[in-house]
Amino acid sequence: EAGVAQSPRYKIIEKRQSVAFWCNPISGHATLYWYQQILGQGPKLLIQFQNNGVVDDSQLPKDRFSAERLKGVDSTLKIQPAKLEDSAVYLCASYFSGGVGDTQYFGPGTRLTVL
Amino acid sequence: AQKVTQAQTEISVVEKEDVTLDCVYETRDTTYYLFWYKQPPSGELVFLIRRNSFDEQNEISGRYSWNFQKSTSSFNFTITASQVVDSAVYFCALSEGNNDMRFGAGTRLTVKP
Repeated sequence: EAGVAQSPRYKIIEKRQSVAFWCNPISGHATLYWYQQILGQGPKLLIQFQNNGVVDDSQLPKDRFSAERLKGVDSTLKIQPAKLEDSAVYLCASYFSGGVGDTQYFGPGTRLTVL
Repeated sequence: AQKVTQAQTEISVVEKEDVTLDCVYETRDTTYYLFWYKQPPSGELVFLIRRNSFDEQNEISGRYSWNFQKSTSSFNFTITASQVVDSAVYFCALSEGNNDMRFGAGTRLTVKP
C-alpha cells in the first residue's frame, strides 16, 4: 500500500514570496491533516479535512495560510506571503476515519526555508 | 485542554543499553488515545503504537515495550538492547474525541556504537 505522498520535499524562498505544498493521502483515507513542525518542536495541527470539508482550521493563520481539498483526495497548502517564522517542516497525515483514535499516517514532509 | 509532556529533551546511550522515554499527559476526557511515533533523520513520522484509555495492558513488541499507567497519567516507552538505528526523535501524542492529536516536544535519542 502506498503511503502519504508529499511534494516538494524541500523549498527555499524569500520572505513575502508565496509557496504551495501538495499532499496525496493513502487511498481510501477520508481524513487529511496538515501539520507544521518547527525545528525542535512537535508537530502542530494547522487544518483537518474530512473528505473535501474543513473540520478544524482554528490554528491556521488565515491571513496568510490557505488550504483546499477540492475533490476529497489530494490537498494543497499555500502560504502567501511567507514570513521568516514560517520556516518549518510541513507534514501531511491521513487516516481512514473508521473511528475516534484511528492511527494517523504521515508523509515525508516538506522542509520550507524562508530567507 | 489536552497536554503532553516529554521532560527528557535528549538522551544518549551506548549500544545495547536499555533506555526508557517518559511521557506524561493531561486530559479531562475519559476516552482518549495515546501514541508513540518515531522520527528518524529522514524526517518521516513512523507510527509505533496506539493505546486507548481503557486498555492498561502493557505491551511488548520485540525490543520495544510500553508502560501505560492511568494513575500517574504516564505512557512510557522502553527500548531494550538499543541499536544505532534506534537513533531518532521520539514523540508521544494524545488524541481525544475530536481526533485532534496533540504532540509532545519530543525526545532525541542518540545511540552510540
